[in-house]
Amino acid sequence: AQSVTQPDIHITVSEGASLELRCNYSYGATPYLFWYVQSPGQGLQLLLKYFSGDTLVQGIKGFEAEFKRSQSSFNLRKPSVHWSDAAEYFCAVVVYNQGGKLIFGQGTELSVKP
Amino acid sequence: DTGVSQDPRHKITKRGQNVTFRCDPISEHNRLYWYRQTLGQGPEFLTYFQNEAQLEKSRLLSDRFSAERPKGSFSTLEIQRTEQGDSAMYLCASSTWTGITEAFFGQGTRLTVV
Repeated sequence: AQSVTQPDIHITVSEGASLELRCNYSYGATPYLFWYVQSPGQGLQLLLKYFSGDTLVQGIKGFEAEFKRSQSSFNLRKPSVHWSDAAEYFCAVVVYNQGGKLIFGQGTELSVKP
Repeated sequence: DTGVSQDPRHKITKRGQNVTFRCDPISEHNRLYWYRQTLGQGPEFLTYFQNEAQLEKSRLLSDRFSAERPKGSFSTLEIQRTEQGDSAMYLCASSTWTGITEAFFGQGTRLTVV
């Protein structure tokens, strides 16, 4: 069965430091991968997506992610974190032959120290 | 384009009562999804519609849950005889279906069953 694993439940970084959030997926076919961000009490906002092509994808708010098929990973990165980046981050894979529904990871909560 | 709209944003109900939530998708989107998110978890798929047809229901969707999309536009999710375990954030998302595209999420409805 398809699954997404985010190994880190909670990460704290200092403002201005670099960030990497890990995501591993289990999916038999070519994965279509997403990162979403959720602020407290809010819905999900798409940060970036990978469908095909260049394995390094750029997103909004200065985020990028790299797809590595050999490692079944799609890690999210940002070179310099801002206090406003504190939120919950979700990695997801779309199940193409099952109506396009998303399978989400458990999420990683990001805290930013001043 | 006003995005995906959900109403109400918050609902507190007594155990055993029925509740209904509404989702208005982005107007040109023919796919509509419902997800449930409990505290500290990623969203879990409940059901989806393509136009007015409900094409899949998760086993999470017990007999007390029913969803409709009568004219292929807005959708409602009803929970009958609510239980405390139904307390969660209910998220609606919509997408087009021309190959793989991203889903856009609403702000969610936070249900608290007391």
